Amino acid sequence: EVQLVESGGGLVQPGRSLRLSCAVSGFTFENYAMHWVRQAPGKGLEWLSGISWSSDTVGYADSVKGRLIVSRDNAKNSLFLQINSLRSDDTALYYCAKDRGPEIRNAFDIWGQGTMVTVSS
Amino acid sequence: SYVLTQAPSVSVAPGQTARITCGGAYIRNKDVHWYQLKPGQAPVLVIYDNTERPSGMPERFSGSTSVNTATLTITRVAAGDEADYYCQVWDGYSDHQVFGGGTKLTVL
Repeated sequence: EVQLVESGGGLVQPGRSLRLSCAVSGFTFENYAMHWVRQAPGKGLEWLSGISWSSDTVGYADSVKGRLIVSRDNAKNSLFLQINSLRSDDTALYYCAKDRGPEIRNAFDIWGQGTMVTVSS
Repeated sequence: SYVLTQAPSVSVAPGQTARITCGGAYIRNKDVHWYQLKPGQAPVLVIYDNTERPSGMPERFSGSTSVNTATLTITRVAAGDEADYYCQVWDGYSDHQVFGGGTKLTVL
């Protein structure tokens, strides 16, 4: 069964950092690009970052560029997102999603259930 | 950056056809994807590359594009189709994935 399971969310104070993880199973992780998408309460989906199969290509949304670092470990079938200088408007449900291809330009055919990040003092 | 515009809501009676639109400049030149999002569930890809259905997706779901508008059409709408629907494209100029604002489909 194809599965993406996010973890690492929680309550965090403004200005702190957080590292989210996405554990993957059921497909050959190293063959596909991966993405992070979030949904703030009452808002729509927002693409945050993508990383190609080889990690050679990474992309970040302008709204978060400079505060996010995406990475992957193909040996451990895992995707990561480091979020620095957290702000209250980073409060959201964070999803990892699988790209249909090896680069970051296709549809997302598998999604996790998400991990909630709440930024508050 | 590239902007996708969706109407906030669409309502349709059961058994009728729902059309959810996604506006973008020369969107016909891009590959448009559609997602269904229900409360408490992971998003589901319903259409990719403008017209393609993922394996297992009912034929009731279809996609089309014109010059500046992409459309997701759902025929024989049922209560289980009530959800938020998002369009998405890859913007090659900015190297960003872009989502529309989403459309809430209400089944009357």
